[in-house]
Amino acid sequence: SYVLTQPPSVSVAPGQTARITCGGNNIGSKSVHWYQQKPGQAPVLVVYDDSDRPSGIPERFSGSNSGNTATLTISRVEAGDEADYYCQVWDSSSDHLVVFGGGTKLTVL
Amino acid sequence: QVQLQESGPGLVKPSETLSLTCTVSGGSISSYYWSWIRQPPGKGLEWIGYIYYSGSTNYNPSLKSRVTISVDTSKNQFSLKLSSVTAADTAVYYCARGRDTAGVWGQGTLVTVSS
Repeated sequence: SYVLTQPPSVSVAPGQTARITCGGNNIGSKSVHWYQQKPGQAPVLVVYDDSDRPSGIPERFSGSNSGNTATLTISRVEAGDEADYYCQVWDSSSDHLVVFGGGTKLTVL
Repeated sequence: QVQLQESGPGLVKPSETLSLTCTVSGGSISSYYWSWIRQPPGKGLEWIGYIYYSGSTNYNPSLKSRVTISVDTSKNQFSLKLSSVTAADTAVYYCARGRDTAGVWGQGTLVTVSS
């Protein structure tokens, strides 16, 4: 089955830019989606189809995807961005159709 | 706007069947895919499966032998059954709208497997 690899943790100072990566074999050929999950809450979709934002998600959240790595970029990081972030793909080439990465804990210093 | 709410027992005994229902409000269950996703305490997200409003399904191969997802369009609900549960099935269970992307989620419900 398809595997998505995320770093367990990323730390960034307020106002700086956070980049969270998601690695997978030829992931650039797939659509990648990103979710934000704060403690005790359900995940929220923040980026879909590599780089689109749902309504209500700040422009500070952006995504890119090429080769074997997709990246979620959070500009001008705020304390409220501290959360777990998960990448996810739809892998139509295998039985395990929906695949999540292991998640990355974003800490705002 | 559409909202999802999970309901069902919070405690299930080992070897029994876990049963949850997701009620969709503020919109119709028709013309969409609907998913179940779970998260063991302190761990990541795991896709369980999805159903189309017409009834077609697809399941995570690792759970396929134990999972059944069904839909009741007259009640605007869809359901999850997971048989022969063990402690490893203890998790927060989420229902969500969508198949390849989960755009709307329920708040989640904790199900503990214990005797």
